[in-house]
Amino acid sequence: NAGVTQTPKFRVLKTGQSMTLLCAQDMNHEYMYWYRQDPGMGLRLIHYSVGEGTTAKGEVPDGYNVSRLKKQNFLLGLESAAPSQTSVYFCASTYPGGSYEQYFGPGTRLTVT
Amino acid sequence: RKEVEQDPGPFNVPEGATVAFNCTYSNSASQSFFWYRQDCRKEPKLLMSVYSSGNEDGRFTAQLNRASQYISLLIRDSKLSDSATYLCVVNPGISNMLTFGGGTRLMVKP
Repeated sequence: NAGVTQTPKFRVLKTGQSMTLLCAQDMNHEYMYWYRQDPGMGLRLIHYSVGEGTTAKGEVPDGYNVSRLKKQNFLLGLESAAPSQTSVYFCASTYPGGSYEQYFGPGTRLTVT
Repeated sequence: RKEVEQDPGPFNVPEGATVAFNCTYSNSASQSFFWYRQDCRKEPKLLMSVYSSGNEDGRFTAQLNRASQYISLLIRDSKLSDSATYLCVVNPGISNMLTFGGGTRLMVKP
C-alpha cells in the first residue's frame, strides 16, 4: 500500500515550457487535491476533484489545469511555466465525510528559471 | 487578513521544556480543527484533531476556544524529534476542504 505518490520529485523548467505532474493514490479515495507551498504562505489549494471526471478551482488556479480521468490519478498541468510557479507542489487525497484528514504525497519541487 | 494565522517562529527551546503555540482563525463558521506536523522537506501529516473539550495525546495537548477563535497546541517534555513545523488547519465549513496556516517552526536543542 503505497498511499499517495507523486512524480516527478524534482524538476527544473525554463519559462514558457510545459509539464504535467502526476499524483496517484491506492486508497480508493474519492477526493483529491493539488496544493502549492511557498515560504511563509502555507499550503494554498490550486484545484481539487470530488470524483472521477470532475474538477473544480481552488484558491490559486490561474496558470494550471487538471484532469481526473481515473479515480486513482489526478494530473496537474502547467501549459506555459512562469518563475512565479516555482514552488513545492503537494497532492493529497481523502474520502468523503469522516475525519477530514487528508493524506499527502511526498511533494514535487519545481523551479522555473 | 489571512484566514488562519500563526506565529512563524522559530521557537528555540531546550530538551525537556514545555512550549505552546497559538493559532487564530477568521471564519466563525469553521467546524473542524487540526494540527498537522511537517518535517523539513517532507509532506504534512496529521498530528491531532482539536475538540472543544480539549484533547490530549501523550505529551501533546490541543485546545479550542470558539468564542475567541483560537486554537492552541502544548508540547510537554520536548524531545529533539519534536523539531518540525506545526501547521494549524481549519475546515471552513465546506465538506472535505481544509485551510492551512503558514506554520510555526519549532527547534528543540540538546
